Amino acid sequence: QKEVEQDPGPLSVPEGAIVSLNCTYSNSAFQYFMWYRQYSRKGPELLMYTYSSGNKEDGRFTAQVDKSSKYISLFIRDSQPSDSATYLCAMSGAGNTDKLIFGTGTRLQVFP
Amino acid sequence: NAGVTQTPKFQVLKTGQSMTLQCAQDMNHNSMYWYRQDPGMGLRLIYYSASEGTTDKGEVPNGYNVSRLNKREFSLRLESAAPSQTSVYFCASSEYGRAASGNTIYFGEGSWLTVV
Repeated sequence: QKEVEQDPGPLSVPEGAIVSLNCTYSNSAFQYFMWYRQYSRKGPELLMYTYSSGNKEDGRFTAQVDKSSKYISLFIRDSQPSDSATYLCAMSGAGNTDKLIFGTGTRLQVFP
Repeated sequence: NAGVTQTPKFQVLKTGQSMTLQCAQDMNHNSMYWYRQDPGMGLRLIYYSASEGTTDKGEVPNGYNVSRLNKREFSLRLESAAPSQTSVYFCASSEYGRAASGNTIYFGEGSWLTVV
């Protein structure tokens, strides 16, 4: 079993829709949770970062962490065609040597 | 502001050939990383360098070597390329060596390598 599981998609939605992207994980030591966005033929870029459980909002994006269920989500409101990309979750523990573990990514397509 | 620059962008190698992927960052970051990205496998860490003068193995180091030439540059070498090393390679850097504490990792644009 992978430490981090993520549905590869593709997820296809109309412009203006609310998008929900999710990851599950098995390692209860994970404390830091991130979402990266990766456009085609580009490197990943950090979109959202949260520590421990709770919600964090940034514009149209909301990141949610439920540590009791080992489940994280990224919500995109009023989705735009420019949001079409692959979204990767990533997480790590709090130790000095802990490394970032990535999900495989979910491909999102927002059509006009 | 270039960020993380890696070369070459595309390369085709024959099995057994060697090559070096070059990476440089202009953000004065201490830590640098090499990842590979494969369909269904996500991003996997090959090697990382927490600071100038140090390198450590990641999840998938076999078949690769690295050199932290100075604070700016971190190269990845394939000594004898194999078809299993066909992948997209990303160099990355961060201010600190820890993945935690919201330590943002900045990625280059990737190098597409095909080994035939």
